[in-house]
Parts: sequence; C-alpha cells; structure tokens
Amino acid sequence: EPEVTQTPSHQVTQMGQEVILRCVPISNHLYFYWYRQILGQKVEFLVSFYNNEISEKSEIFDDQFSVERPDGSNFTLKIRSTKLEDSAMYFCASSGGQGETQYFGPGTRLLVL
Amino acid sequence: EDQVTQSPEALRLQEGESSSLNCSYTVSGLRGLFWYRQDPGKGPEFLFTLYSAGEEKEKERLKATLTKKESFLHITAPKPEDSATYLCAGPFAMEYGNKLVFGAGTILRVKS
Repeated sequence: EPEVTQTPSHQVTQMGQEVILRCVPISNHLYFYWYRQILGQKVEFLVSFYNNEISEKSEIFDDQFSVERPDGSNFTLKIRSTKLEDSAMYFCASSGGQGETQYFGPGTRLLVL
Repeated sequence: EDQVTQSPEALRLQEGESSSLNCSYTVSGLRGLFWYRQDPGKGPEFLFTLYSAGEEKEKERLKATLTKKESFLHITAPKPEDSATYLCAGPFAMEYGNKLVFGAGTILRVKS
C-alpha cells in the first residue's frame, strides 16, 4: 500500500542552525502539506504546495521556513535558523485531489537545543 | 475563528465496553470531516472521511457518523489495541487543496 515517508525520524540541532526535513509523498498525489505538532498540543497546519508553488501558508510559516519540490518525488521543508520553539514533530501529508483525504507520514521529531 | 472541539479529552474503557467520541466544529467553508488515529510518536493514520450530514462509515469496531454540526466516532466492544488518540479534522477549503483544522483529540485507553 502506498505511503508517505519522511527522513530523518529524529533530528537534534543547535539553535540558529539550518535543518532540512525530507518527505516522499505518495507517487500520484498532487497536493502536498506540512503540519507540525508541539508536544501535548494540536496538529497545526504550516503550508500547502500545489503545482510547484505554495498555495497557502499559516502565520507560523514565516521567512525562516521554505518548501521545495526539488525533483519528481521529494518534498522538503527547510528551517533557515532554528529557534527553541521550533522543537516539534513535523508531519508531511499528501492528497490526490482538491478535497480528498490527506495521508500523513510518520513524522520527524525535531529538537532544537 | 475556525474551531474543532473534541470531547471527552480522555476516556478509559474496559475491554468490550462500547462508547462514543464527539467532534463538534465551526469551520467556515467546511467540506466534510476526517477522523484519524494517532499512536504515541507516530503520524495520524487515516480512518474515515465523511462528506455530508447523515453519512455513516464503518471499519471493524469503529463507526463514524456526521450531522450538520458534529460527528461521532462509535467504538463497539473495544479491545486494548484500540488504545490511541483519536483526532478529528475539518478541511478548510483553500483555492488549491484543503487546510486541515484539527481538534485536540480524545485519548482512549482500553483495559483488558
């Protein structure tokens, strides 16, 4: 069964460092998303990506964040200069159509020290 | 403000003791409702999509129902392996794609 994969599963970094979180969405999907979940809190939307550009972003997704689909399979989230408050689980999701189900990856646990 | 509210926050059941979880929402531009299961340290696992009031979907011991303002996840004769956090999410329609607005979840513990 097709699934969304994410690497790495865990990432520890120092404050101010750049991190890149990687995702491989389901192969025939067209819509790609990043969400994050701070420990003990709700899953919250960060950004959506369609047709090789950002279609929507939340207030959290400031200039320190960027997304890219560098090739036909990978979808990346870059945090340019990490802050302590960026520590969270980051989930990638993809869907095949406008209103269709979003399937989530297993997540990357990011810890900023 | 778009809101998805789940109750109860936590639920402890004995194996075989049926119950229901509630999800109420005030999401403008709502196009249906999604239920996910989340195990500790894992990503949300898709369970059900409901698109219109009156719709019902079933999977093993789970049944999801939808009204105009809320959804229920009914768990019949639960087993310990049903222990997880159950999340509901309202898809907020954007020009391209949907932004999911999640509730805080219901933590379910089923004891044998």
